[in-house]
Amino acid sequence: SQTIHQWPATLVQPVGSPLSLECTVEGTSNPNLYWYRQAAGRGLQLLFYSVGIGQISSEVPQNLSASRPQDRQFILSSKKLLLSDSGFYLCAWSLVNSPLHFGNGTRLTVT
Amino acid sequence: QKEVEQNSGPLSVPEGAIASLNCTYSDRGSQSFFWYRQYSGKSPELIMSIYSNGDKEDGRFTAQLNKASQYVSLLIRDSQPSDSATYLCAVREGGKLIFGQGTELSVKP
Repeated sequence: SQTIHQWPATLVQPVGSPLSLECTVEGTSNPNLYWYRQAAGRGLQLLFYSVGIGQISSEVPQNLSASRPQDRQFILSSKKLLLSDSGFYLCAWSLVNSPLHFGNGTRLTVT
Repeated sequence: QKEVEQNSGPLSVPEGAIASLNCTYSDRGSQSFFWYRQYSGKSPELIMSIYSNGDKEDGRFTAQLNKASQYVSLLIRDSQPSDSATYLCAVREGGKLIFGQGTELSVKP
């Protein structure tokens, strides 16, 4: 069966520090991969999605970037965090035209 | 980016009642629709997928789709306190899933 791993579960970072969140999927090949962010009490905002290695679509212009160095690995990065980057970050995978399946999420607090 | 809109919550129902959650979407070309449940502090989990007009039932859950009206709903029969959560409607647009803001449901014992 397919599983998705996302880490760390919680993270507290100062403003201006870098960020790297990693997500890996097991048990499937060539999945679509997604990064969403959820601010407190809000819905899910799509940040990036990828349909293959090196193929990244950015949905929201901001100081975040994403990379997909391997088929089942998706990384979210920032060079300098802002206070507004705080939130619940969710990685997800899907097959074509299938539902998304989410990881457990990373709760990021920028102080 | 097209929009997905849900009833503003919170929605409160007594235990054993039917909870009705609604969602409208703006992209007429959308073909895939999903309902997710999200408990506080947790990630969303898939409840139902629906792709064709009409009703789809799974246990106590029924999803209803009307593409002409661009409307999708979720009914929860015999609501239980454990159903208390935020329910997210999602619509596929090309390779991505667009989510509504969610409706918070509270089931009172």
